[in-house]
Amino acid sequence: DAGITQSPRHKVTETGTPVTLRCHQTENHRYMYWYRQDPGHGLRLIHYSYGVKDTDKGEVSDGYSVSRSKTEDFLLTLESATSSQTSVYFCAGASVSYEQYFGPGTRLTVT
Amino acid sequence: GDSVTQMEGPVTLSEEAFLTINCTYTATGYPSLFWYVQYPGEGLQLLLKATKADDKGSNKGFEATYRKETTSFHLEKGSVQVSDSAVYFCALSERDAGNMLTFGGGTRLMVKP
Repeated sequence: DAGITQSPRHKVTETGTPVTLRCHQTENHRYMYWYRQDPGHGLRLIHYSYGVKDTDKGEVSDGYSVSRSKTEDFLLTLESATSSQTSVYFCAGASVSYEQYFGPGTRLTVT
Repeated sequence: GDSVTQMEGPVTLSEEAFLTINCTYTATGYPSLFWYVQYPGEGLQLLLKATKADDKGSNKGFEATYRKETTSFHLEKGSVQVSDSAVYFCALSERDAGNMLTFGGGTRLMVKP
């Protein structure tokens, strides 16, 4: 869905450094989500938001935090990156129940 | 909790072959069911969905029927093309779960000319 963009698309960082990934949407989605995709695990939910400043934890939230100060932007922060957080991160948005629309992904490598 | 199980891949087929990718689920409530497709280097796209028992979702020649009695939502296509090569994810969403999706592990499909 062209209405959801992610930045950066690729990032390499060192263990222990903070990292912030950005998701921007132009579709006025109320709900937004952050997932990580790893081989053998499919997609796993990290955090989600059901409105501005309303967020909650997902299945694999340890080591991650999120913020949503306006409808269009949903930020994912790794406070102190670890090698286990090397992954591909997807943002998604939803307005109508159950249908989520995904961004193109961010490939993060923690060395 | 909820879970989705898909057949492991990769599934390798010749062009024009019949495709079935199995998907079964466990859920505490009455979920909606989805198939998403991920082409190389891209995000996931909704392929089809079904929201109640016996519903058939269909799109681009793909079909899946919501079978409550067998808790299944198998994906089928009568004649695959090389362009169908992708990873396919089965997913469910419970009505009272904040629109969150639970995904299966994904099945990679490779179609050879």
